[in-house]
Amino acid sequence: EVQLVESGGGLVKPGGSLRLSCAVSGFTFSSYTMNWVRQAPGKGLEWVSSISSGGTYVKHADSVKGRFTISTDNARNSLFLQMHSLRAEDTAVYYCTRASQSDYWGQGTLVTVSS
Amino acid sequence: DIQMTQSPSSLSASVGDRVTITCRASQGISNFLAWFQQKPGKAPKSLIYAASSLQSGVPSKFSGSASGTDFTLTISSLQPEDFATYYCQQYNSYPITFGQGTRLEIK
Repeated sequence: EVQLVESGGGLVKPGGSLRLSCAVSGFTFSSYTMNWVRQAPGKGLEWVSSISSGGTYVKHADSVKGRFTISTDNARNSLFLQMHSLRAEDTAVYYCTRASQSDYWGQGTLVTVSS
Repeated sequence: DIQMTQSPSSLSASVGDRVTITCRASQGISNFLAWFQQKPGKAPKSLIYAASSLQSGVPSKFSGSASGTDFTLTISSLQPEDFATYYCQQYNSYPITFGQGTRLEIK
């Protein structure tokens, strides 16, 4: 069974940092592009970042470029999102998803940026 | 960036109805189009990928089609569990973009 489990969310002050993790199981992690997608409270879905299988390419939305970094640890079957210089507008539930078409989603982890 | 224009933004329908939701891409995306269902407080669930391929385990009442840059999601014989918000997503090129969502409500 494919499973994606996010962790690491929480309350952080503006300008602060946070590292999200996504532990996966049930498939060959190193063979898939992985993504982070977020959803601000009461809003729609917004793609954040993607990393290809093998880490050949990394893509970030303009809204997070230079502040967020996506990475993987294939030995630990884990996806990460390092977030710096957090802003109020980064407040959202962050989901990790599998493959370009996002065929599987985690349950999400809430990031709240507030003073 | 490719804009995905989804319509309608909300839709009221009755149990047993057949409904159609449309997504228009601002430029060609081949068939790199996915549809998702999201219920309140839950993660989105994949329904359709490659415009018309049904995700494993998704009932055949859900179907997708494409015509040029216009994509449709059709849900036949609505049941209470189908009332949710639906999103389209293009994954032809980065940045990946989503439609704004269609809220399907019970009439």
